[in-house]
Amino acid sequence: SQELEQSPQSLIVQEGKNLTINCTSSKTLYGLYWYKQKYGEGLIFLMMLQKGGEEKSHEKITAKLDEKKQQSSLHITASQPSHAGIYLCGADSNDYKLSFGAGTTVTVRA
Amino acid sequence: DTGVSQDPRHKITKRGQNVTFRCDPISEHNRLYWYRQTLGQGPEFLTYFQNEAQLEKSRLLSDRFSAERPKGSFSTLEIQRTEQGDSAMYLCASSGGTFNTEAFFGQGTRLTVV
Repeated sequence: SQELEQSPQSLIVQEGKNLTINCTSSKTLYGLYWYKQKYGEGLIFLMMLQKGGEEKSHEKITAKLDEKKQQSSLHITASQPSHAGIYLCGADSNDYKLSFGAGTTVTVRA
Repeated sequence: DTGVSQDPRHKITKRGQNVTFRCDPISEHNRLYWYRQTLGQGPEFLTYFQNEAQLEKSRLLSDRFSAERPKGSFSTLEIQRTEQGDSAMYLCASSGGTFNTEAFFGQGTRLTVV
C-alpha cells in the first residue's frame, strides 16, 4: 500500500508569515490530493495534482507535485487565522482508494 | 445537493452494544468510501462501494463490521459488539465515476465506546 510521510508534524506560524508542508510517498503517485480538516470535522478538498511538475493555486494556497511524482508541497502565503487546521495529503495508488498521511497541524498566531 | 451527509454526528455507546451509522453520498457519485480516523492520525481506509457492489474491504474491517449500500444510494456501517478500541471518527466519502476524481467527505460520526 502507499505510505505517505508528512513534515512537519505540526507548526506554529505568525499571522502574515508563509509556511510550507511536505508530503513524501514511498511509491510513484498517480494522484496527490490535499485536504484540510478542522478538529472533529470532516475533510475539505483543497487541490488535486496528477502530472509531474504540476502546480496549482487557490487563493493563497499553492501545491506542487515534483517531476518524479513522489513528493508534493503545500505552500501558504501570508497566513491568516482561517488557515489554521490539519492539512492532510492523500495519494491514489492506481486502485481508486486514497491512503493518507498523518497530517500536519497548523496554528496561526495573531 | 449539499454534499455528503452522515448521521449521527456523535454516538456514545456501551461496550458490547451494536451501532449503525448512515452515509448519504452526493447523488451523482457512484463510489462510496468508509474511513476510520483516530486522534493524531490520518484517515484509514475501511471499505468502498461502486454502486451497490462492495469492491474492497480492508483487513481493519473485522467480522464485527459490516457495510451495505442497497440500491447504490445511501450506505450503512454497522459495528456489532462494540469494543473500546472501536472509538474513533468514522468518515464517509463519495466520488464520481471516472478515475482520479476527488473524493468529498462528510462531517463524520464520532463514536465513543464506554
